[in-house]
Amino acid sequence: AQSVTQLDSQVPVFEEAPVELRCNYSSSVSVYLFWYVQYPNQGLQLLLKYLSGSTLVKGINGFEAEFNKSQTSFHLRKPSVHISDTAEYFCAVNSGGSNYKLTFGKGTLLTVNP
Amino acid sequence: NAGVTQTPKFRVLKTGQSMTLLCAQDMNHEYMYWYRQDPGMGLRLIHYSVGEGTTAKGEVPDGYNVSRLKKQNFLLGLESAAPSQTSVYFCASSYDPSGEAFFGQGTRLTVV
Repeated sequence: AQSVTQLDSQVPVFEEAPVELRCNYSSSVSVYLFWYVQYPNQGLQLLLKYLSGSTLVKGINGFEAEFNKSQTSFHLRKPSVHISDTAEYFCAVNSGGSNYKLTFGKGTLLTVNP
Repeated sequence: NAGVTQTPKFRVLKTGQSMTLLCAQDMNHEYMYWYRQDPGMGLRLIHYSVGEGTTAKGEVPDGYNVSRLKKQNFLLGLESAAPSQTSVYFCASSYDPSGEAFFGQGTRLTVV
């Protein structure tokens, strides 16, 4: 069975500081990995995804993530955050084979302070 | 394009009442999902569908039923609502497992 663990439920940072949001996954087959963002009272939007190939994936709004197969991790990073990045961030996994469930982690609330 | 549309956006039910949430997508996607979002729990998969006429159970299917009679619509039913089903419900669709999932704006359901 696949699962996703987001290691931090809340991450407070100051504006223009770097940030890393951590995500570990488990799956018995090859996976597709995603990061989504949710702004207050809205649905989720895709930030970036990893399917195959280069382990460093770039997404929207200056975010990037690195896939590490040996550590089963997919951490999200941004070198300099803005107030507008305040939101909840979700890591998600979808496996190939016959199991097509899109499974989410519990989310990390990123709060950017001035 | 409307994308993914959920109906209704808000609803208050009394314990024991039934209701159906409608999800409609206009992107010709094969895969559709229903999630519930509760504070501190993230999004938990209730049921999903990999194509017209198919449905499958997710992590928390008890108390819910679904139907996918038409490719563009995915219905979530509560036969006898309970206070534990108070939540925000999200529908999503994707073309395939590797593709972006598009989400609706959510339905806020309160069961009293």
